[in-house]
Amino acid sequence: GAVVSQHPSWVICKSGTSVKIECRSLDFQATTMFWYRQFPKQSLMLMATSNEGSKATYEQGVEKDKFLINHASLTLSTLTVTSAHPEDSSFYICSATSGERAYNEQFFGPGTRLTVL
Amino acid sequence: GQSLEQPSEVTAVEGAIVQINCTYQTSGFYGLSWYQQHDGGAPTFLSYNALDGLEETGRFSSFLSRSDSYGYLLLQELQMKDSASYFCAVPFNTNAGKSTFGDGTTLTVKP
Repeated sequence: GAVVSQHPSWVICKSGTSVKIECRSLDFQATTMFWYRQFPKQSLMLMATSNEGSKATYEQGVEKDKFLINHASLTLSTLTVTSAHPEDSSFYICSATSGERAYNEQFFGPGTRLTVL
Repeated sequence: GQSLEQPSEVTAVEGAIVQINCTYQTSGFYGLSWYQQHDGGAPTFLSYNALDGLEETGRFSSFLSRSDSYGYLLLQELQMKDSASYFCAVPFNTNAGKSTFGDGTTLTVKP
């Protein structure tokens, strides 16, 4: 149980276009999902907390107009990178926590590698 | 704020034992987690300590000392497949998803 999927797994786009990444909890309801960004050989940086039915909470330094987050249902959160530029190229990972294990364990999606040309 | 420190790289041979340390500074403490991440993959949960002491799960064990703001991950009987990055993490609050991660320790297991 506790499986999280992401789609697409990788995407290449031109500078100036927008890219949408989906994160789904497949076998549990996730009232809260999280979006992380990771550069090669670096740590995971929390970008935002996505709450079902309400606005996302962004971490300091993360542009909310650049990274649009929508949590449409208890099993789906989307991250849209708007007007992407090469510096947005990164590995984007979502995670979710579930019920009684929310205290100590998060379940990660497989990640989406974004390359902006 | 929250910050964590762990060694950047560790190398060991198959069958050996390795300890990866993590020291942390947090404004509030809810526990220390460990995650494994293979190159190009997503992090996977390994262990969690909320109280002092050692938690054992198969070949992996995790230790916490809250008074020292210190923990470690112990990997025994190393296998080649254990080559990966290992991150310690502390939650901001009672939801583990909102966590600060250390910079990661790259473990290389050699034959």
